[in-house]
Amino acid sequence: QKEVEQDPGPLSVPEGAIVSLNCTYSNSAFQYFMWYRQYSRKGPELLMYTYSSGNKEDGRFTAQVDKSSKYISLFIRDSQPSDSATYLCASRGDSGAGSYQLTFGKGTKLSVIP
Amino acid sequence: DSGVTQTPKHLITATGQRVTLRCSPRSGDLSVYWYQQSLDQGLQFLIQYYNGEERAKGNILERFSAQQFPDLHSELNLSSLELGDSALYFCASSPTGVEGYTFGSGTRLTVV
Repeated sequence: QKEVEQDPGPLSVPEGAIVSLNCTYSNSAFQYFMWYRQYSRKGPELLMYTYSSGNKEDGRFTAQVDKSSKYISLFIRDSQPSDSATYLCASRGDSGAGSYQLTFGKGTKLSVIP
Repeated sequence: DSGVTQTPKHLITATGQRVTLRCSPRSGDLSVYWYQQSLDQGLQFLIQYYNGEERAKGNILERFSAQQFPDLHSELNLSSLELGDSALYFCASSPTGVEGYTFGSGTRLTVV
């Protein structure tokens, strides 16, 4: 079992819809959670960062972590065609000796249809 | 432009060969990370350097090696290449890494 599992999709929604992207993780030591967005033929771009459980909002994006169920979510409100990309969740534990390696899900491909 | 520069963008080489991928981190970032992205495995952590020293090692094959130089640029060396090494190789950098890091655009390696 991979430490971070993510439904690969693809997910197709109409413009303006609310999008829900989800991941589960198995490593109880994970404390830091991130969402990256990756456009085709580009590198991943950091969207959201959260520590431990709770919600974090940034514009149209909300990241949610539920450590009790080991569930990570990203919500996109008023989705736009420019949101069409692959979304990757990533996690890591408290690192000793300054090691900050991330464990990534395989990504969910999202298409927002105009 | 993320500020992390990777060269070359594309590389096609034959099995058994050796290649070197180069990464220049964002100005001021001391940490460099290398990741491999393939369709079946997703993004896999290879190795991290901090200010010239190796900090963490992931699923990096013995045929692969890396280093970070005094000017903080990093190189990933891949030798005895196999078809299965074909992938996107990303470099990322950060000042600390606590809140994630910035990725470059990657080097697409094709082994034929």
